[in-house]
Amino acid sequence: EDKVVQSPLSLVVHEGDTVTLNCSYEVTNFRSLLWYKQEKKAPTFLFMLTSSGIEKKSGRLSSILDKKELFSILNITATQTGDSAIYLCAPARDSGGSNYKLTFGKGTLLTVNP
Amino acid sequence: NAGVTQTPKFRILKIGQSMTLQCAQDMNHNYMYWYRQDPGMGLKLIYYSVGAGITDKGEVPNGYNVSRSTTEDFPLRLELAAPSQTSVYFCASSQGRRGQPQHFGDGTRLSIL
Repeated sequence: EDKVVQSPLSLVVHEGDTVTLNCSYEVTNFRSLLWYKQEKKAPTFLFMLTSSGIEKKSGRLSSILDKKELFSILNITATQTGDSAIYLCAPARDSGGSNYKLTFGKGTLLTVNP
Repeated sequence: NAGVTQTPKFRILKIGQSMTLQCAQDMNHNYMYWYRQDPGMGLKLIYYSVGAGITDKGEVPNGYNVSRSTTEDFPLRLELAAPSQTSVYFCASSQGRRGQPQHFGDGTRLSIL
């Protein structure tokens, strides 16, 4: 059975702090790992990581994957109140053809206080 | 851009009632998915479809049915609602090409009383 463990489960910081969110996984036929941000409604896509050691960046957010140690981290620098959300990690398992199935972690609830 | 549209946004059902959650996407995506999200838990895959006329079970299919008669629509049917089906339901779609992520609708919050 595929497993995804995110840590911490919740985190409270002040604006301007830097945070690191962790995701470890055990997934058969691993293809890639996705990070989503979920505010009040739909999860919105942040990153897809397929190769180890290659950092992906988008503004103040960055993420990296280690396929040997089976984990990924999501960094947010200079946090803002708008970063408050649940961050979901989802490794993708190859299901044949072009299809893939996501297994979601429970998420990290990040609260950024002014 | 409409993306993935889910209706209704909220619904309260009585035990034993049935209903259909609607999902439509306008991105011409072949792949569509239904998930449920319970408080403090990640999303669990209920059913998915790789194209019109093709559906398959996910991790938690019991109590649900789906159909995919067109590329755009992927409704989820609850036949005999049970309290355990109280959850937030998300529909998602993707192109199915490597490197393309799943895009989610805003969800349907369903309560079974």
